[in-house]
This record gives sequence, structure tokens and C-alpha cells, in this order.
Amino acid sequence: AQSVSQHNHHVILSEAASLELGCNYSYGGTVNLFWYVQYPGQHLQLLLKYFSGDPLVKGIKGFEAEFIKSKFSFNLRKPSVQWSDTAEYFCAVKGSGGGADGLTFGKGTHLIIQP
Amino acid sequence: GAVVSQHPSRVICKSGTSVKIECRSLDFQATTMFWYRQFPKQSLMLMATSNEGSKATYEQGVEKDKFLINHASLTLSTLTVTSAHPEDSSFYICSASSLDTYNEQFFGPGTRLTVL
Repeated sequence: AQSVSQHNHHVILSEAASLELGCNYSYGGTVNLFWYVQYPGQHLQLLLKYFSGDPLVKGIKGFEAEFIKSKFSFNLRKPSVQWSDTAEYFCAVKGSGGGADGLTFGKGTHLIIQP
Repeated sequence: GAVVSQHPSRVICKSGTSVKIECRSLDFQATTMFWYRQFPKQSLMLMATSNEGSKATYEQGVEKDKFLINHASLTLSTLTVTSAHPEDSSFYICSASSLDTYNEQFFGPGTRLTVL
């Protein structure tokens, strides 16, 4: 069975600090990887995704993530966070069979950016 | 981007009653819709996958007679929680995808169900 582990459940940073949120997955095959963000009172939005190719993927709002296959990791990074980045962040995985498969989510990381 | 809506956004019902939640893809035809459940401060758990015109596929541990899913058209899926009990209180979120969206899932805003 596939699983996703997010190491940090709560992270508090000051504006302009650098961010890295850890994500490790367990899956017996090739995967598609995702990071979603959920701002307070809003629905899940896709930040970025990895399907294949360059393991360093860039997403919206200055976020990026690096897929390290040997470590089964897909950590999310942002060099300088803003107050508006306060949100819940979810890492997710699905098999890369090409079909429409449901996602397996991590438990989420609650990020608070202090002004 | 593609937009998915859910209705209602919140519902409170008495124990033993049934509640229907609608999920609509507003600007694309969704061949596949997914239903997730999110407990407070926890992750989203996939409940079932439904393809238009066919029976839903339920995840292990999800009672199909309890959570009835219908995907009668390419823009609408419904989740009916039958004979709801307090332990069914949760946040239910749907997502929709299609080949047109390269199977990327677009999420609805969720429905907060409270069973008294």
C-alpha cells in the first residue's frame, strides 16, 4: 500500500525566511507526485507536480520541489516566504499508470508566517 | 483553471437521516470524480472513485451501502450518506478529472457534515 509521510506538522517562520517542507513516500512502482496548498477557508489548489523528466519542478507562487528517487522524497522549497503563504500544505502521490487514480495524501503541514 | 463546486457547503442533520452532497464540474466534463473525507487536523482519505456511467470503486474499509455514490453525468456526482450517525461527521471533498485536464484533479471546496 502506498503512503506519504510529511515530517513537519506545524512550521512557524518569519517573513523572508527560507522554507523546506519534507515529504517521503512509499510506493511499489513509478509515481506521480504533487504538492497542494489549502489557504484558510479555501479549497485545495495544486502548487506543483512531478510526472517525469527534470526532477526539479517549479510551481506557482515561487515554490519548487525536488524529486529524489533514491530517497523517495519530494521536498517543497521556497527561498523567501511571505505572510500570504500561511496555509496548510499537502504532499500527495499516485501511481503513474496514466489513468485517473485517486491520490494518497500526507497528513499536511500547517505553515504560519509571522510578519 | 477548471472549477469544481460542491453543494451544500455545510449541512447539519439528525442521526438516522440521509444526506446528499453534490459535486459539479462547472467548465469541463469530468470522466472521473473522486470523493475524499478529511477528519479534523488530518489528511484527506480517498473514499471512492467514480467513472461516469459506471459503479463507483470503493477503498478498503469504506461501506458502499453507507456512502452511495452516483455519477450519472459528466458534470455531476453525488454522495449520499445514508442513515447518518455522529461518527460520520466530517469534511467531505470531491475532485474531478478528465483526459482534457491530463487527469489532473481539481478539488471542490468541501462540505462540512455535522450529524447530531
